[in-house]
Amino acid sequence: GEDVEQSLFLSVREGDSSVINCTYTDSSSTYLYWYKQEPGAGLQLLTYIFSNMDMKQDQRLTVLLNKKDKHLSLRIADTQTGDSAIYFCAEVMNTGFQKLVFGTGTRLLVSP
Amino acid sequence: NAGVTQTPKFRVLKTGQSMTLLCAQDMNHEYMYWYRQDPGMGLRLIHYSVGEGTTAKGEVPDGYNVSRLKKQNFLLGLESAAPSQTSVYFCASRPQQGAVHEQYFGPGTRLTVT
Repeated sequence: GEDVEQSLFLSVREGDSSVINCTYTDSSSTYLYWYKQEPGAGLQLLTYIFSNMDMKQDQRLTVLLNKKDKHLSLRIADTQTGDSAIYFCAEVMNTGFQKLVFGTGTRLLVSP
Repeated sequence: NAGVTQTPKFRVLKTGQSMTLLCAQDMNHEYMYWYRQDPGMGLRLIHYSVGEGTTAKGEVPDGYNVSRLKKQNFLLGLESAAPSQTSVYFCASRPQQGAVHEQYFGPGTRLTVT
């Protein structure tokens, strides 16, 4: 199937680290992505990782990829209230036409 | 540039009514997409278009029709709305030369069917 799964909700305090997890399905995905959706807005690409990498760091964001377990995670260091949003992981499906398959989304709530 | 805009932002329909959602982009993108977003689920692709005059089905096309008469506009139609079509609808576009993840998303249309 095409189920990309995430936990639904995460609550952290400002300044803590947040870790959002994702289990994907297609081991042939060349790239895996993290999107951020702020309230009332569309999705924005946050970061991505190439499938031959184990880790990618981008300022406060660290992406970890475990291909054996098809597990992707996004760590946000020093989480701020502005990081409160829904985070979606996504993989690429090649079924004649490349399309993104999105995870179920994790709502991150950062409290002061 | 306005980017990707969607009209309307909100709408309430009664079962059986019809409506059209409009997506417009001013970036001269070839590819356009319609998704629906439901609680606890990721975005699911309804229909997409790879250029003016072309459309194709995504993973959940039933109950929807689309048209791409002009390159900048992608219309999503509901001929006979059902409560199961209550959702938030997102449009996206990207350039043909771009990668699949280089999609620009609109702000969404929240549709409620009673």
